[in-house]
Amino acid sequence: QVQLVQSGSEVKKPGSSVKVSCKAPGGTFSSYAINWVRQAPGQGLEWMGGIIPIFGTRNHAQKFQGRVTFTTDESASTAYMELSSLRSEDTAVYYCARGPMPYDYDRKPPFDYWGQGTLVTVSS
Amino acid sequence: DIVMTQSPDSLAVSVGERATINCKSSQTILYSSNNKNYLAWYQQKPGQPPKLLIYWASTREFGVPDRFSGSGSGTDFTLTISSLQAEDVAVYYCQQYYSSLITFGPGTKVDIK
Repeated sequence: QVQLVQSGSEVKKPGSSVKVSCKAPGGTFSSYAINWVRQAPGQGLEWMGGIIPIFGTRNHAQKFQGRVTFTTDESASTAYMELSSLRSEDTAVYYCARGPMPYDYDRKPPFDYWGQGTLVTVSS
Repeated sequence: DIVMTQSPDSLAVSVGERATINCKSSQTILYSSNNKNYLAWYQQKPGQPPKLLIYWASTREFGVPDRFSGSGSGTDFTLTISSLQAEDVAVYYCQQYYSSLITFGPGTKVDIK
């Protein structure tokens, strides 16, 4: 059973930044991408973007342009999502999810393992 | 971006009866070179992360009960729960991964009647 373990809940002020971590089993980063999905209270799932650790390539949904940064620390088998200029609308549960490399979508399933989620509350 | 829509928003079905959820994409998500539809279905129960049920529109993930099935191609897809069980109460989302800009449908809530 693959487990993605995320960091704990955060409370942030508007205008500040938050960095959420996602620890994956060793070897994950050599064969998979890490995606980030968020869910506002009572709302649906929203894909934010992702990173392919071995290539260092990233992509993200347009609405997060300039505000989101995806990084990885391969030595720690950990991926990070940093969101800046926080506003109340960013209050949500943030999930990481393992996904295949883009060229593997015809051979492997999409988001097959998810982290437990990290609640980020933005409040003054 | 590819826009995903779902219908209905919610439905209530008696235990043992069939539940059907529809999902539509704003453009085809059928990859012609391999004839695979890049469409997945997820189940999310309260307080839990989503769980992958179906991918390539009709391939069941390991361990998913065979009462869950997916069908459709191109732009129109369906998730069917052939005999609803109490533990199937959840919100169900479709997702396209044809585009590198992945998008989800808004979700369909399934309850027991």
